[in-house]
Amino acid sequence: AQTVTQSQPEMSVQEAETVTLSCTYDTSESNYYLFWYKQPPSRQMILVIRQEAYKQQNATENRFSVNFQKAAKSFSLKISDSQLGDTAMYFCAFMKMRDDKIIFGKGTRLHILP
Amino acid sequence: EPEVTQTPSHQVTQMGQEVILRCVPISNHLYFYWYRQILGQKVEFLVSFYNNEISEKSEIFDDQFSVERPDGSNFTLKIRSTKLEDSAMYFCASSEVQALSYEQYFGPGTRLTVT
Repeated sequence: AQTVTQSQPEMSVQEAETVTLSCTYDTSESNYYLFWYKQPPSRQMILVIRQEAYKQQNATENRFSVNFQKAAKSFSLKISDSQLGDTAMYFCAFMKMRDDKIIFGKGTRLHILP
Repeated sequence: EPEVTQTPSHQVTQMGQEVILRCVPISNHLYFYWYRQILGQKVEFLVSFYNNEISEKSEIFDDQFSVERPDGSNFTLKIRSTKLEDSAMYFCASSEVQALSYEQYFGPGTRLTVT
């Protein structure tokens, strides 16, 4: 069975700083997708970034980037120039290719301080 | 930008009552999902639905739960006899059918409170 582990329950950083959220996962699959979802206080789940396991290049979306280490089964999220609006719960998630369900980690609550 | 919508945003019900949570997926999407998030815990998969039938369900999705696509736009989750432990946030999601695009778009959720 696949599992996703986020070892940092909560983090706080000053506005404009860079922060890295950790995630590890366990799978025997070779092809899969990894995601970071953001859940702000409004509770809506928003996809931040996606990585296909068969791509070696790390995904980037504006201030958000990932460090995907397939051999180590690690998938960290880096937020550059953090903003107050980045305050949210961040979930790391995994999905087997051609599967239906997303498997979520327990989340990291990120506070961006003014 | 198209989005998934859910109604109601908050539902309060008494234990033993039936509830129906409603979702309107993105119009050209063909795969539909329900997830649950008990307060303070991680989001858990409940069920996926395609071509008018369940394609996968989790252990949580027992006989008390059912899903339906009653018309061309709505996708519903019914809980027949609610229990206190059914109190949670329920998220609907949908995705396109194309093989290269498996992104699931989530709705804002329905908070279910069972008293």
